[in-house]
Amino acid sequence: DAKTTQPNSMESNEEEPVHLPCNHSTISGTDYIHWYRQLPSQGPEYVIHGLTSNVNNRMASLAIAEDRKSSTLILHRATLRDAAVYYCILRDYGGATNKLIFGTGTLLAVQP
Amino acid sequence: DAGVIQSPRHEVTEMGQEVTLRCKPISGHDYLFWYRQTMMRGLELLIYFNNNVPIDDSGMPEDRFSAKMPNASFSTLKIQPSEPRDSAVYFCASSPTPDTARYEQYFGPGTRLTVT
Repeated sequence: DAKTTQPNSMESNEEEPVHLPCNHSTISGTDYIHWYRQLPSQGPEYVIHGLTSNVNNRMASLAIAEDRKSSTLILHRATLRDAAVYYCILRDYGGATNKLIFGTGTLLAVQP
Repeated sequence: DAGVIQSPRHEVTEMGQEVTLRCKPISGHDYLFWYRQTMMRGLELLIYFNNNVPIDDSGMPEDRFSAKMPNASFSTLKIQPSEPRDSAVYFCASSPTPDTARYEQYFGPGTRLTVT
């Protein structure tokens, strides 16, 4: 599986935008980019995913570099509830496997 | 839907005892996953099922661990005998059949296992 690299931790202020980076230089043409987050004492939850184009949903936006070797998860206005570990994961939709391999993620702290 | 249901939420047991963790996936989902999370190793996939059949158990740590899915609405993860190093939070997740437009795993609240 192609690997991703994320900063161990980041800090943000409440109501400010947050840009969480992810590098995936060995991404293949059939890899989707997925983001999950894990709030304290909870299981991970889906945030967003994309292939080539930028994506928006009610939780966040995903900006994907033109060469697809990096992506950025954007939280437009951070709230205290967004404090969590954010995982960037690649999944090969063309393969037979249906696994998500979680890395260490980015621990986001949000200051009031 | 109630989401993925796991029981028990907390389990404390002594080394050598058998432990059984239970999971009820979301109705209609045909994939079920078991994960383990520790501070040292992070979130690891142990095994996953498709239509009640184990597809990939390469993450199961050793023969002391076994998982079954007797029907579409129930799965168990058993540890026998348990050891202190098995202490972790165990998550169950389920998903519908993925397609190129959408893929999402839904996680349960987890079972915190402590083996003394």
